[in-house]
Amino acid sequence: GAGVSQSPSNKVTEKGKDVELRCDPISGHTALYWYRQSLGQGLEFLIYFQGNSAPDKSGLPSDRFSAERTGGSVSTLTIQRTQQEDSAVYLCASTTSGGYLGYTFGSGTRLTVV
Amino acid sequence: GDSVTQMEGPVTLSEEAFLTINCTYTATGYPSLFWYVQYPGEGLQLLLKATKADDKGSNKGFEATYRKETTSFHLEKGSVQVSDSAVYFCALLNNFNKFYFGSGTKLNVKP
Repeated sequence: GAGVSQSPSNKVTEKGKDVELRCDPISGHTALYWYRQSLGQGLEFLIYFQGNSAPDKSGLPSDRFSAERTGGSVSTLTIQRTQQEDSAVYLCASTTSGGYLGYTFGSGTRLTVV
Repeated sequence: GDSVTQMEGPVTLSEEAFLTINCTYTATGYPSLFWYVQYPGEGLQLLLKATKADDKGSNKGFEATYRKETTSFHLEKGSVQVSDSAVYFCALLNNFNKFYFGSGTKLNVKP
């Protein structure tokens, strides 16, 4: 597609439920990031996929968080047993393998846990 | 480890004032440097970039020069407008193709 597409754009869920957030990167982009942005805060790195390499999961805050990338394209971020502190905007970004052109960000998924 | 440090905000300026947002970095090797902008209610957009020392990135009247000797990439604009009000993020891409972002600096421009 023309840009990075994320869905849903907004998600309200009850505490304890599982949620799945989807990212559809730009076609041909081999590298994909997930970040989290809490209200008024900076970007918190979550996970990084680069081609067929093992993902860099060093930013995942707990074992309730997981992500996969199927076929080197679409990625899904799953949060199990959501907590109120998980409320944030979850941003996805993709780029070509070199990354030197900069990342293109999606518009994010705003997650609210009530 | 690699990191980016940028000045804390918010920065409040009057229209047509000169803007500087400081950014310094720590990285091994030769990173590429970026400024991203996030307008209210929107996602992050690439504003400008520089891939090697002494390069100057520019866009929409904003400029930043990659200074290896001071490990800096300060963002400047000669005359800000109300429409420039946003959060600005400095970032680096290291030699392992990993991005690091600063914490963001909020700019408020008053008419």
